[in-house]
Amino acid sequence: QKEVEQNSGPLSVPEGAIASLNCTYSDRGSQSFFWYRQYSGKSPELIMFIYSNGDKEDGRFTAQLNKASQYVSLLIRDSQPSDSATYLCAVIFGNEKLTFGTGTRLTIIP
Amino acid sequence: GAVVSQHPSWVICKSGTSVKIECRSLDFQATTMFWYRQFPKQSLMLMATSNEGSKATYEQGVEKDKFLINHASLTLSTLTVTSAHPEDSSFYICSAKSDRDQETQYFGPGTRLLVL
Repeated sequence: QKEVEQNSGPLSVPEGAIASLNCTYSDRGSQSFFWYRQYSGKSPELIMFIYSNGDKEDGRFTAQLNKASQYVSLLIRDSQPSDSATYLCAVIFGNEKLTFGTGTRLTIIP
Repeated sequence: GAVVSQHPSWVICKSGTSVKIECRSLDFQATTMFWYRQFPKQSLMLMATSNEGSKATYEQGVEKDKFLINHASLTLSTLTVTSAHPEDSSFYICSAKSDRDQETQYFGPGTRLLVL
């Protein structure tokens, strides 16, 4: 069974600090990895996607992928209260279907 | 770009009635759309994959006769919850793959269904 695992949190980070969110996946052959942000009562919105090993930066967000260790992480620099949300890691396991982790609830403390 | 809309945003209905939810890609063509369901404090669970002009592919455990999916055009897919019951109350979210980017799914705003 293809799985995506995340620490459910909650993860509390002081405003201005770096928030680090982690995700592991079970299928070594996975090629596509996504981070979505979901505010309470809302649908997910795409933050970043990453396909290659290494880091990918977009503004305050950096996605890191390590296929050998089968993990993908999301770093949020200069955390803001508006970053408080649930962050969903999602992986495509080669059959075009997104499999989501259970999400990590992040709270930024002013 | 890549905007997906859903209608209605919320619906309350009596047990036994049917409810139709529309999912539209507004500025792109979507050959594939997906329907998810999310219960409180849980992650998104894929219900079915919808391809334009063909029958939907349902995930294991999802009743295809209860959750009717129609993908009649490249910009519209509908989900009909037939004979809804209180246990069908959930947050239903569609997503679509853009014809310009086959890897990324863009999500609609979701439809909250409450069955009394």
